[in-house]
Order: sequence, then structure tokens, then C-alpha cells
Amino acid sequence: DFQMTQSPSTLSASVGDRVTITCRASQNVVTSVNWYLQRPGKAPHLLIHSASTLQSGVPSRFSGSGSGTDFTLTIRSLQPEDFATYYCQQSHTSLRTTFGGGTKVEIK
Amino acid sequence: EVQLVESGGGLIQPGGSLRLSCAASGFPFEDYGMAWVRQVPGKGLEWVSSINYNSGRTGYVDSVKGRFTISRDNAKNSLYLQMNSLRAEDTALYYCARAAVAAGYDFWGQGTLLTVSS
Repeated sequence: DFQMTQSPSTLSASVGDRVTITCRASQNVVTSVNWYLQRPGKAPHLLIHSASTLQSGVPSRFSGSGSGTDFTLTIRSLQPEDFATYYCQQSHTSLRTTFGGGTKVEIK
Repeated sequence: EVQLVESGGGLIQPGGSLRLSCAASGFPFEDYGMAWVRQVPGKGLEWVSSINYNSGRTGYVDSVKGRFTISRDNAKNSLYLQMNSLRAEDTALYYCARAAVAAGYDFWGQGTLLTVSS
């Protein structure tokens, strides 16, 4: 099975900071990685699919990169609404997907 | 407007059975794959099961194989998860999600809470 290892598990930052979250796949998933944001008490929200494609309606301060086993989500200038938990997901295996453990972005 | 509304959660004893439902609206349900994802409160996301658009293919996380069955009724715009032999570790908020055309899950319901406890 494909495992997804996210780091860090928690990140403290300030409004305006540039934030980077990484995700490592246990096997080559090419570019089949998606990123989600989840605010407390809410359902997850798709930010980026296929490693680097911004989902419609998502602000351009979010970006994704990577291929193979190493992937990155970057938030260019952190906004108050961005303090949340972020998850990566591999969708390389059809009808069998895996999420990373999550990264909580907290206010410093 | 795309809407996914889950129902059927509740308190059930270990070993019991329950069926979750997800009512979909606002999009051609029969054209999309669907999935169930669960989350223990305060913990991370865990994919549970997926089904393709015409029920021809399904997938399950190892921990529920043989106990859970995903199904759909395209005529009723509904997704289901039949859960048997429930265990305490199945306790979670269960989300219904739509598989995007490109990749990922682009719409999610608000979840239905399942508690397995005696």
C-alpha cells in the first residue's frame, strides 16, 4: 500500500508568513497527489489536485509542486483564514487512496 | 449547487450493523465516482471505500474489507455504506465525497457520526 508521510505535524506561523508543508509517498505516485484544507468543525476542501493544479476558486497564494515521491504545498502569504489543518492525499491507485497524517497550521 | 447530505449514523453496539446513506443533488450523480472517508474526532482523515460511476468497481481500506459494502443507486442519486460487525475502532465521523473528474474529492458532505459502544 501507498503510505503518505506529512511533515511537520504542527507548524506555528504568523499572518503574512510563507509556509511550506511536505508530503512523502512510500512509492512513486508520479503526480497523483492532492491537497486539502480542513477548518475546525468543517469538511475538508480540495485546494490542489495532480500535485500542482489549483482547484477552481482557490486563491493563488496556494501552490503545489513535486513528483515521484516528494511533494510540497506552499502558502505564499498566510492569511487569517488559512490557520487550519492540511492533508495530502495520493490518488495514484485507482479506487484506493491514502491520506497523509495532517499538518496543523497554528498562530504563532 | 452541489449538495451531499449524509444520514444514518448513531450509537450502535459492537457487532451490530448500520447503513449510512448519502443523498446527492445538484450534479449528474450517475457520471461521478463516489467515496466514503472517515475521521475520528480530533484525528486525521482515513479513506474507507470508493465506488466508480456505474458500480462496476469498488475499493476498501483493509480494516473494513469483508465487513463494509459500498453501493449506489443512480436512480435515487444515493450512495450507501452497509457496515456489519462493527467495532469500537469504527467510531468516527463519516463523510461522503464526490470524486472529481480530474483528481481528488471536490465536494464533501458535512458527515454523519457513528459511535460504536456498549
